[in-house]
Amino acid sequence: GDSVTQMEGPVTLSEEAFLTINCTYTATGYPSLFWYVQYPGEGLQLLLKATKADDKGSNKGFEATYRKETTSFHLEKGSVQVSDSAVYFCARGGSNYKLTFGKGTLLTVNP
Amino acid sequence: GAGVSQSPSNKVTEKGKDVELRCDPISGHTALYWYRQSLGQGLEFLIYFQGNSAPDKSGLPSDRFSAERTGGSVSTLTIQRTQQEDSAVYLCASSSGNSGANVLTFGAGSRLTVL
Repeated sequence: GDSVTQMEGPVTLSEEAFLTINCTYTATGYPSLFWYVQYPGEGLQLLLKATKADDKGSNKGFEATYRKETTSFHLEKGSVQVSDSAVYFCARGGSNYKLTFGKGTLLTVNP
Repeated sequence: GAGVSQSPSNKVTEKGKDVELRCDPISGHTALYWYRQSLGQGLEFLIYFQGNSAPDKSGLPSDRFSAERTGGSVSTLTIQRTQQEDSAVYLCASSSGNSGANVLTFGAGSRLTVL
């Protein structure tokens, strides 16, 4: 079935460091791909999305490129801030209604 | 409403009691989802509604779990005879369509603790 695998956390970085959180998905069909973020004490909110191969989603300095050949959608940010500390979830959609999520990666950014 | 509203935000109950969790989706959103978030388990799909119908209940963990949606709006997730393993954050989300490309808007969740 559909599944999403993302790197295990926790990830701890210093402010202004480069961030990569890896995400791969099962290749069934042509899914839409998402990154959601959950800040402490808040609900999940959409960070970015991409709906077809080679699309790049971007928001708040974060980027992710839909790579069909490697079935990946890695999240990157060139310079993280303390305010980026959160749990990040990769998710795939598809031809149906359901989003399948990865297990989440906790990011802590220290000043 | 402006966002997805869930209540209660926190619920502590004793093992064996029944609980009801409520979700009020964004006005006009036809699709409604329940997910469960447990420590280290990510988000587990429970049930999906399109309007008042639930075409996919495959994620409900046991027959102690049920959900309904009325008027194409508010949904209630009911857990009967709660067990300690039911402790989790129950998340509701809604979206405007029924495609996997649609963005889900999540509520803040209902944290359930079963003693």
